[in-house]
Amino acid sequence: GENVEQHPSTLSVQEGDSAVIKCTYSDSASNYFPWYKQELGKRPQLIIDIRSNVGEKKDQRIAVTLNKTAKHFSLHITETQPEDSAVYFCAANDRAGTASKLTFGTGTRLQVTL
Amino acid sequence: GAVVSQHPSRVICKSGTSVKIECRSLDFQATTMFWYRQFPKQSLMLMATSNEGSKATYEQGVEKDKFLINHASLTLSTLTVTSAHPEDSSFYICSARGYQGEDSPLHFGNGTRLTVT
Repeated sequence: GENVEQHPSTLSVQEGDSAVIKCTYSDSASNYFPWYKQELGKRPQLIIDIRSNVGEKKDQRIAVTLNKTAKHFSLHITETQPEDSAVYFCAANDRAGTASKLTFGTGTRLQVTL
Repeated sequence: GAVVSQHPSRVICKSGTSVKIECRSLDFQATTMFWYRQFPKQSLMLMATSNEGSKATYEQGVEKDKFLINHASLTLSTLTVTSAHPEDSSFYICSARGYQGEDSPLHFGNGTRLTVT
């Protein structure tokens, strides 16, 4: 099955700075990589995703890059704001078995300070 | 679109009792739903894949007789925690895809915080 590693576990940045979170995956068959943001006690919310046929995707202040050869992908948040503070999870789809499922990374707690 | 509703949001039960959690896809049909469990400050761990009209597929280490899953319709999956114990206290979240493409996002319910006393 798929194994996803995520770093760092915690990240503190000043408002306006950029934040980068990195993930690696093990299964070269994975072709879908979403990122979720989870606020305390709430459901994970999809913020951006990327498929294996592209190397980069951007949505306003958020971007994701994918390196299939190295099997790693990264989340970039620019001009961070206090409301960006949350736990971020990367994920990769595990295509083994009858139903493709998502395997999540261990999460990164992002703190944006004033 | 792709709204997933989960009930109850919170439940407190006594040790030894059973608790049922419902997960509904409100505006789409989901032949497959996924049940995750999340302990405090930890990641989402997949418990099982719920398949409409057939048996659920459980992840390694998850007791199928303890966590009963029923997916009787295209819009409803239920998770029953049987003979609950304090160590079962956790945040349980269901999810489903808007359509069956394997490269599409999962949409999550609001989660159920279970506390077993």
